[in-house]
Amino acid sequence: GNSVTQMEGPVTLSEEAFLTINCTYTATGYPSLFWYVQYPGEGLQLLLKATKADDKGSNKGFEATYRKETTSFHLEKGSVQVSDSAVYFCALSEPGANSKLTFGKGITLSVRP
Amino acid sequence: DAMVIQNPRYQVTQFGKPVTLSCSQTLNHNVMYWYQQKSSQAPKLLFHYYDKDFNNEADTPDNFQSRRPNTSFCFLDIRSPGLGDAAMYLCATSGDPQETQYFGPGTRLLVL
Repeated sequence: GNSVTQMEGPVTLSEEAFLTINCTYTATGYPSLFWYVQYPGEGLQLLLKATKADDKGSNKGFEATYRKETTSFHLEKGSVQVSDSAVYFCALSEPGANSKLTFGKGITLSVRP
Repeated sequence: DAMVIQNPRYQVTQFGKPVTLSCSQTLNHNVMYWYQQKSSQAPKLLFHYYDKDFNNEADTPDNFQSRRPNTSFCFLDIRSPGLGDAAMYLCATSGDPQETQYFGPGTRLLVL
């Protein structure tokens, strides 16, 4: 079956530090890949997505590239801000009428001023 | 702005007292989902509607039911809440099962 593996957290960084959050996946077909962000007490917001190999999703300074050869979709940001403190979920969905989101466990990012 | 709205944002109920959570959307999406999210965990899909077709996940307890009276609204009914049902409940929508899901802000349920 499908699965998403995220690096263990939590992650604590100083403001303006470089961020990498690792995500790898297992899927039988050709999934779409997503990063969702959840701020404290809120629902999930779509951060970025990629639908095919070598696509790069980007939003708010965050980027992730769909790497089929390594089955990865690592999230990066060159300079984090305190306001980026949140929980980040990597997820995939496979094409098909019964497509569902498979989430990773999520990772908590805390950014110190 | 087109969006997914959940009411109420916080709900307190008593053990065993039925409770209904509400979700509405202005996106005109065909698919509406309900997720349960417990503290420090990923969301867990309970069920979804594709138009009027109801799709229940195999491990969703019978205590949880859903109604979708029209395209815009979907309700989550918990018939007899237990202490273990305290969680954040998230509604999401998508135009098609293969398309991106958009989430509402969630309803946090507390069971006393």
